[in-house]
Amino acid sequence: EIVLTQSPGTLSMSPGERATLSCRTSQSVSGNSLAWYQHKPNQPPRLLIYGASKRATGIPDRFSGSGSGTEFTLTIRRLEPEDFAVYYCHQYGTSPFTFGPGTKVEI
Amino acid sequence: EVQLLESGGGLVQPGGSLRLSCEASGFAFSNYGMTWVRQAPGKGLEWVSGIVGSGGKTYYAASVKGRFTISRDNSKNALFLQMDSLRAEDTAIYYCTKTGGSGWHFDYWGQGTLVTVSS
Repeated sequence: EIVLTQSPGTLSMSPGERATLSCRTSQSVSGNSLAWYQHKPNQPPRLLIYGASKRATGIPDRFSGSGSGTEFTLTIRRLEPEDFAVYYCHQYGTSPFTFGPGTKVEI
Repeated sequence: EVQLLESGGGLVQPGGSLRLSCEASGFAFSNYGMTWVRQAPGKGLEWVSGIVGSGGKTYYAASVKGRFTISRDNSKNALFLQMDSLRAEDTAIYYCTKTGGSGWHFDYWGQGTLVTVSS
């Protein structure tokens, strides 16, 4: 099973700042099959990025993904108030598909 | 508009069974893999099981293999999860998800259904 590690566990930020979230995998992810999700309380998760760098439909361009192999990054260019949430990375290149433990972006 | 509506959650005793359903609409259901993802109270997301569009291949997390069975009825646009030998650690919100087509990322999620395993 591919294990995902996210850092930091919590990111304390202010609106307007740039946030950089890291996801490291225990093995190389096949085909850069790495996604990022945003999760807010009492809502289902929302897909932000897939294929390591492709924005999902309707996602603002302040969200960007990069990386390959075992190192991936989600960048939020200028934090808006609605961006404070938990962010999960997810590898779907090899079954069993696995999630990272999450990074909480808080004010 | 894609919609996924889960049902079937509830309170069940340890060792018991439950069957979750997911009613899908707004897309060509049989063309997409579907999965179940869960979130235990205070914990992160955990992928549980997946099934290809035809229903001919299924996948399971080690934690549920041999106890849970995923299936689908493409004539009714429905996804199912049969959960047997339930344990306290299976307590979670269970989400039905649609895959993106180009891979097993999850582009649409249902609102989730709560399963509580307790005596």
